[in-house]
Amino acid sequence: TQLLEQSPQFLSIQEGENLTVYCNSSSVFSSLQWYRQEPGEGPVLLVTVVTGGEVKKLKRLTFQFGDARKDSSLHITAAQPGDTGLYLCAVLLYNQGGKLIFGQGTELSVKP
Amino acid sequence: KAGVTQTPRYLIKTRGQQVTLSCSPISGHRSVSWYQQTPGQGLQFLFEYFSETQRNKGNFPGRFSGRQFSNSRSEMNVSTLELGDSALYLCASSLGSGAGELFFGEGSRLTVL
Repeated sequence: TQLLEQSPQFLSIQEGENLTVYCNSSSVFSSLQWYRQEPGEGPVLLVTVVTGGEVKKLKRLTFQFGDARKDSSLHITAAQPGDTGLYLCAVLLYNQGGKLIFGQGTELSVKP
Repeated sequence: KAGVTQTPRYLIKTRGQQVTLSCSPISGHRSVSWYQQTPGQGLQFLFEYFSETQRNKGNFPGRFSGRQFSNSRSEMNVSTLELGDSALYLCASSLGSGAGELFFGEGSRLTVL
């Protein structure tokens, strides 16, 4: 059983469309991170959300942490081909050093 | 400043062989952690080292081992390679305070034939 369940697993859309990726769990977390990984590279941190109900914006990306701190969403407005990549949610287990637990990821393809 | 450097980037081995992968963290970072990424299992935590001590370990067999040197550089070793060990092995470094951002290298892609 995955600690973090991401959906959808795959998403193929046209440039200009909007999309939402979900990251759900039955556990409560003190914080949650979103990473993006492009082919041939390692994951890069996009944002960390720490407060229940928190909303953070990064240009066309909007991240939300659920009120109960069990789930999170990533919304992309007017997707661009440059948004193509693997989006991963992750939780850092603070009481276990640098142990980062990842969701399975959402593979996003934005076609021009 | 220089990022996390992993070597080699690509390698091919045969079943039964062993492999050693290297990771140089960002200068000043004392924590190095290793992850295995496969299409089926995604990104899975292998182990984490801080100040030359293994601080945390994932659910991998004993064939997977690692170490960290006094300059924070780390190596991981996989012995008696199996076909299922084919994966992208990612190293990440952090300051090591237990919180904050992990910086990942580009990974070492291992293919076992």
